[in-house]
Amino acid sequence: AQSVTQLGSHVSVSEGALVLLRCNYSSSVPPYLFWYVQYPNQGLQLLLKYTSAATLVKGINGFEAEFKKSETSFHLTKPSAHMSDAAEYFCAVSDQGNTPLVFGKGTRLSVIA
Amino acid sequence: GAVVSQHPSWVICKSGTSVKIECRSLDFQATTMFWYRQFPKQSLMLMATSNEGSKATYEQGVEKDKFLINHASLTLSTLTVTSAHPEDSSFYICSAPTLAGGPSYNEQFFGPGTRLTVL
Repeated sequence: AQSVTQLGSHVSVSEGALVLLRCNYSSSVPPYLFWYVQYPNQGLQLLLKYTSAATLVKGINGFEAEFKKSETSFHLTKPSAHMSDAAEYFCAVSDQGNTPLVFGKGTRLSVIA
Repeated sequence: GAVVSQHPSWVICKSGTSVKIECRSLDFQATTMFWYRQFPKQSLMLMATSNEGSKATYEQGVEKDKFLINHASLTLSTLTVTSAHPEDSSFYICSAPTLAGGPSYNEQFFGPGTRLTVL
């Protein structure tokens, strides 16, 4: 069975500081990995995805993530946080594109002015 | 990218009534759709897999007689919450994978969600 662990339910950074949201996965097959962002009372927006191509994945809004098989990690980073980045972030895994996603518990990102 | 819509976006109903939520793939065909539930300040949990032309597959602990799923066409899946109670109040989100080629291959597209409040 697949699973995702997001370390830290709440991360707080200063505006302009590095954002690092951690995600570790467990999968018996090569995984497809995703990061989604959710603003209050809204649906999910895809930030980026890993589907066995390049290990460093660039997404929208300046976010990127690196797939590290040896560490079973897929951490999300952004060099400089903006106030508009404050939201809930979910890491998710699937074993194929047409199978349901397994989500982590989410990390709430706060950005302090 | 592909678009998935949900209707209604929010609904308030009385305890004991039934509520139907629609999930539509607007510009692609979806033989499979997934229904998730998200309680406040929690993650998304898969409820069921909706398959066009066949019975839905429910996750353990999800009552299939309470959460009726119908996938009558390649673009529409419906979730009916029967005899809703306050504990069914939640955010319900559907998703549909696209198997078409191109950059969206193997990507799932999520609807905007439906907020259900049962009084």
